[in-house]
Amino acid sequence: EPEVTQTPSHQVTQMGQEVILRCVPISNHLYFYWYRQILGQKVEFLVSFYNNEISEKSEIFDDQFSVERPDGSNFTLKIRSTKLEDSAMYFCASSDVPGTDTQYFGPGTRLTVL
Amino acid sequence: GQNIDQPTEMTATEGAIVQINCTYQTSGFNGLFWYQQHAGEAPTFLSYNVLDGLEEKGRFSSFLSRSKGYSYLLLKELQMKDSASYLCALTSGGYNKLIFGAGTRLAVHP
Repeated sequence: EPEVTQTPSHQVTQMGQEVILRCVPISNHLYFYWYRQILGQKVEFLVSFYNNEISEKSEIFDDQFSVERPDGSNFTLKIRSTKLEDSAMYFCASSDVPGTDTQYFGPGTRLTVL
Repeated sequence: GQNIDQPTEMTATEGAIVQINCTYQTSGFNGLFWYQQHAGEAPTFLSYNVLDGLEEKGRFSSFLSRSKGYSYLLLKELQMKDSASYLCALTSGGYNKLIFGAGTRLAVHP
């Protein structure tokens, strides 16, 4: 069964460093999302991406964040200068048709900022 | 904006039935999802309701009343592996972002 994959599973970085989190969505899906979950808190929407551009973003997704689909398979989230409060699980998700279709989540990347 | 309320914790006995409620207020609504999340893992899809009524999928059923802003997830024949958090989520907007509730942590005891 097709699935969303994410790498790395765990990333440790120093405050102020740049990190890139990688995702490979399900191959025939067209809509891509990033969510995050701070330990013990709810899952929060960050950004949605369709047709090679951001379609919607939350207040969390400030200038320090960017997303890119550099080729036909990868979807990346970049944090330019990490802060302690960026420590969280970051989930990538994809869906075929929004509004009617399910979003399938990847296993997540646990980001720890020291 | 959106607001989603669900109980923080519930306990149940193996083999029993449990109902997890979710109430919501939202300015835009496409559908309501239930996800299961084990500790340290990703949310996994359980069910989706867009119309009023009951959707049944094996041991899991989900109900939606759009006029009342209310949904529930019903789990039958509980198993120990059902111990997890159950997340109620709304979709809204043209690109269907998911807005999650805080989740209900279910503990199933022998």
